[in-house]
Amino acid sequence: EAGVAQSPRYKIIEKRQSVAFWCNPISGHATLYWYQQILGQGPKLLIQFQNNGVVDDSQLPKDRFSAERLKGVDSTLKIQPAKLEDSAVYLCASSQTRPGTGHETQYFGPGTRLLVL
Amino acid sequence: RKEVEQDPGPFNVPEGATVAFNCTYSNSASQSFFWYRQDCRKEPKLLMSVYSSGNEDGRFTAQLNRASQYISLLIRDSKLSDSATYLCVVGGFNNDMRFGAGTRLTVKP
Repeated sequence: EAGVAQSPRYKIIEKRQSVAFWCNPISGHATLYWYQQILGQGPKLLIQFQNNGVVDDSQLPKDRFSAERLKGVDSTLKIQPAKLEDSAVYLCASSQTRPGTGHETQYFGPGTRLLVL
Repeated sequence: RKEVEQDPGPFNVPEGATVAFNCTYSNSASQSFFWYRQDCRKEPKLLMSVYSSGNEDGRFTAQLNRASQYISLLIRDSKLSDSATYLCVVGGFNNDMRFGAGTRLTVKP
């Protein structure tokens, strides 16, 4: 079974530039998550989708971050404009069960390492 | 107060040692609980789910105390390959996940 795919794997940009990350979840997984992991910290949930609807985006800095999952499969996360503190690994994860139905196993992609100069 | 708190460590133990990690969470309505393992520069991977009755998988034992909002992970007979960061994860009703900062373990020969 193919895992969660993410691209690009690495990105270096200057502050105030824009950047976009792409995620393709495991086939059939309805729930998709984007996390930000700053060095030395645990992953921080940015946004959670159930199919193409947003379940939780309470920790997404909406003034500069946006995400979409238009057809309920692939997703993109965008930062515009980027700041130095956005340097982190951006992880995408997917899971199969629907919210509230039981324990949820997330499968993570390899992440995109972003460096903002 | 952080939603999920872990002792950051690092824990440096010899091979064969028993080591225990603790985690506390703030939201009493949390529904699901996990331990994930993350190797250096890799993505997190599920180690085990944590149930109220406690569960064991080989050398690993996880326990949950809902009254104290406390989760633990015990590793017996540590191996060099157990060296990693262990992440405590707590899920809400919608499976919105909150991660702890992780506890770093190094097992030495």
